[in-house]
Amino acid sequence: EPEVTQTPSHQVTQMGQEVILRCVPISNHLYFYWYRQILGQKVEFLVSFYNNEISEKSEIFDDQFSVERPDGSNFTLKIRSTKLEDSAMYFCASRMGAAGGYNEQFFGPGTRLTVL
Amino acid sequence: GDSVTQMEGPVTLSEEAFLTINCTYTATGYPSLFWYVQYPGEGLQLLLKATKADDKGSNKGFEATYRKETTSFHLEKGSVQVSDSAVYFCALSPTYNQGGKLIFGQGTELSVKP
Repeated sequence: EPEVTQTPSHQVTQMGQEVILRCVPISNHLYFYWYRQILGQKVEFLVSFYNNEISEKSEIFDDQFSVERPDGSNFTLKIRSTKLEDSAMYFCASRMGAAGGYNEQFFGPGTRLTVL
Repeated sequence: GDSVTQMEGPVTLSEEAFLTINCTYTATGYPSLFWYVQYPGEGLQLLLKATKADDKGSNKGFEATYRKETTSFHLEKGSVQVSDSAVYFCALSPTYNQGGKLIFGQGTELSVKP
């Protein structure tokens, strides 16, 4: 069964360093998402991506964040200069997308980012 | 803005007990409503959904009914099993949002004891 994969499963970095979180969405899906969950808090929407551009972003997704689909399979989230408060579980999701109706979002297992 | 509120966890039940996890929402228009489940070490999986008022979503013995009058989408199961131990998330997708983002509640941890 197709699934969304994410690497690494756990990333430890020093404050101020750049990190790139990687995701491989399901191959025929068209919409891609990043969410994050700070320990003990809600899962929060960060950004959605369609047709090689950002379709929506939350107020959390400031200039320190960027997303890219560098090839036909990967979808990345970059944090340019990490802060302590960026420590969280980051989830990637994808959905097929079709006119009319809702398509299920399929989530990856998450990358736990720890900023020291 | 749109939001989802779930009952606080953790919820601890004995096997075969009845389960209710409350979920209420605030949204404009007619959002789609979802329950996602996260088993230990895994990603979020869609458990069930409802896209319009009075719809009932069901899957694996779980049910939830979209109640617009009370803005609720409570999750129920008649007889829980140890394997149902997980974190359950209620979520909505706003009507106005074509990109399909999800707005989640805080999650409710369920622990089922044999």
